[in-house]
Amino acid sequence: KNEVEQSPQNLTAQEGEFITINCSYSVGISALHWLQQHPGGGIVSLFMLSSGKKKHGRLIATINIQEKHSSLHITASHPRDSAVYICAVIQGGEKLTFGTGTRLTIIP
Amino acid sequence: DTAVSQTPKYLVTQMGNDKSIKCEQNLGHDTMYWYKQDSKKFLKIMFSYNNKELIINETVPNRFSPKSPDKAHLNLHINSLELGDSAVYFCASSPRGRIPLYNSPLHFGNGTRLTVT
Repeated sequence: KNEVEQSPQNLTAQEGEFITINCSYSVGISALHWLQQHPGGGIVSLFMLSSGKKKHGRLIATINIQEKHSSLHITASHPRDSAVYICAVIQGGEKLTFGTGTRLTIIP
Repeated sequence: DTAVSQTPKYLVTQMGNDKSIKCEQNLGHDTMYWYKQDSKKFLKIMFSYNNKELIINETVPNRFSPKSPDKAHLNLHINSLELGDSAVYFCASSPRGRIPLYNSPLHFGNGTRLTVT
């Protein structure tokens, strides 16, 4: 069993829908990343958080350290949001452990 | 301006060959990483360097040897390539060293797709 699990693995939604992607982890962490991998392959770091909530534009990330769970929300989803979203946790030092990703497809 | 640049973007080679992938960052970051993404799109850390010092070396075959001539460069050399080495390799950097700060984002290169035939 992977130390970092994401759900769902695949998500298809209509443009404008509110999207939630979940990440659960089983190890102690110091922080958590949400990454976006575009269809072309490039990876962008969206958020790094250790508690509470962060917001950037239409993206919101929350984390509950006690429950070992984080969520990524997208409001008013758009086809350009179609990508693979990856959760990664930081354990001691610089080591990142990645989830298996959630493939999001937004249909116009 | 490319923040983290990797070359080449594509690399096709035969089993048994030796090849290198180069990575350079112009962000002034202290820490650089190599990640491998397999055919199932699963990312895994391979190495991390902080100011030219190796700080993470996951269970990677010793055919893989990272080289950091300065803190802006982290190259990956692979000896005796095997079919299972086919993957996308990502270089990344972050601005902090051993203790990551909570607002310290990662910057990724665009990846190098290695195909071993």
